[in-house]
Amino acid sequence: ETGVTQSPTHLIKTRGQQVTLRCSSQSGHNTVSWYQQALGQGPQFIFQYYREEENGRGNFPPRFSGLQFPNYSSELNVNALELDDSALYLCASSLGTPSYNEQFFGPGTRLTVL
Amino acid sequence: GDSVTQMEGPVTLSEEAFLTINCTYTATGYPSLFWYVQYPGEGLQLLLKATKADDKGSNKGFEATYRKETTSFHLEKGSVQVSDSAVYFCAPISSGSARQLTFGSGTQLTVLP
Repeated sequence: ETGVTQSPTHLIKTRGQQVTLRCSSQSGHNTVSWYQQALGQGPQFIFQYYREEENGRGNFPPRFSGLQFPNYSSELNVNALELDDSALYLCASSLGTPSYNEQFFGPGTRLTVL
Repeated sequence: GDSVTQMEGPVTLSEEAFLTINCTYTATGYPSLFWYVQYPGEGLQLLLKATKADDKGSNKGFEATYRKETTSFHLEKGSVQVSDSAVYFCAPISSGSARQLTFGSGTQLTVLP
């Protein structure tokens, strides 16, 4: 069974640029959640996708957007990058049923905005 | 919305010492509760969970009991090892359509040999 994978591992961008981060969910999982973890902080929920539809969103501006594909992999896109977007971005997959709510995390993508 | 208060770190213990990391939460209803662990430079690993009141989650010698009356989910281990050094996060999961985890700021644990 393949776990959650994310790419790239590290990324350096400059202010104003756009970035795309990718996530492959664990085999059999149809739900993907994205979290932002600033240095020294706990992860903050960005949004969740279930069967290719956005299923919920945290307190993040519209320049944070996402996609989920038919194979349940996912992308996180961030436009107009700001310095405060520097963080570890974590993807988590789960089975989207009420009785099974464990989320399994990938290793993350470290984004640095200069 | 949901919130979590965790014992402030950093916590430094000697090997074989007893560990307690306190966690209290506020949430709508009775959410499932999780402890995640993050080793340096890595993502989060699920450590243990409890899905209803009085459930005890356990894994790798760690335990936590879901206390509905005190809205707490304290993490304990009887004898820590150097390899337990990591950051620990307590997190309830929301009961809405988007099952989002709410994390506290985490507790840094360092175990000395």
